[in-house]
Amino acid sequence: AQSVTQLGSHVSVSEGALVLLRCNYSSSVPPYLFWYVQYPNQGLQLLLKYTSAATLVKGINGFEAEFKKSETSFHLTKPSAHMSDAAEYFCAVSDRKTSYDKVIFGPGTSLSVIP
Amino acid sequence: KAGVTQTPRYLIKTRGQQVTLSCSPISGHRSVSWYQQTPGQGLQFLFEYFSETQRNKGNFPGRFSGRQFSNSRSEMNVSTLELGDSALYLCASSLDGRPDGELFFGEGSRLTVL
Repeated sequence: AQSVTQLGSHVSVSEGALVLLRCNYSSSVPPYLFWYVQYPNQGLQLLLKYTSAATLVKGINGFEAEFKKSETSFHLTKPSAHMSDAAEYFCAVSDRKTSYDKVIFGPGTSLSVIP
Repeated sequence: KAGVTQTPRYLIKTRGQQVTLSCSPISGHRSVSWYQQTPGQGLQFLFEYFSETQRNKGNFPGRFSGRQFSNSRSEMNVSTLELGDSALYLCASSLDGRPDGELFFGEGSRLTVL
């Protein structure tokens, strides 16, 4: 069965500093990988996704993630944090061997940005 | 284009009651998924519907059920409510229910069970 782990339930960074949120997956076949963001009192929004093209994926709001098969990782980065980046971030996977939609989410990482 | 709409946004029930939550997907989207979000368990997959058929179900008791109508609108029902059912219930729609597709989420229905 697929699973996702996110190292660090809470991450704090200073405004302007690098943001690094970690995600590792467990699957016999590399799955589809996603990063979603949830702002307070809102639903989730897709930041970026990896399907099978370039291993470095660029998303919205300046975020990007790199798929590393050897490390079973899909870490999310942003060069310079902004106050508006404070939110909950979820890494997610879905099985590319299936034809239906079942996305499994990680436990989430809460990002705080310190002025 | 209107987003995913969930109703009601907030509701309070007592143990033993039942509740029905509604989800209207983005126009043209045929797949609807439901998730339960709690501080302790995070986002847990409940079920997914495509063209009125339930294609997949998560590990929840039979008290949790759902359905999808011909216009792709979906409802989920929880019977015999328990305190542990208090959660944010999120609905997400996607265009064709493919595993590599983007999920579009509603703002959720926050259920409190007393």
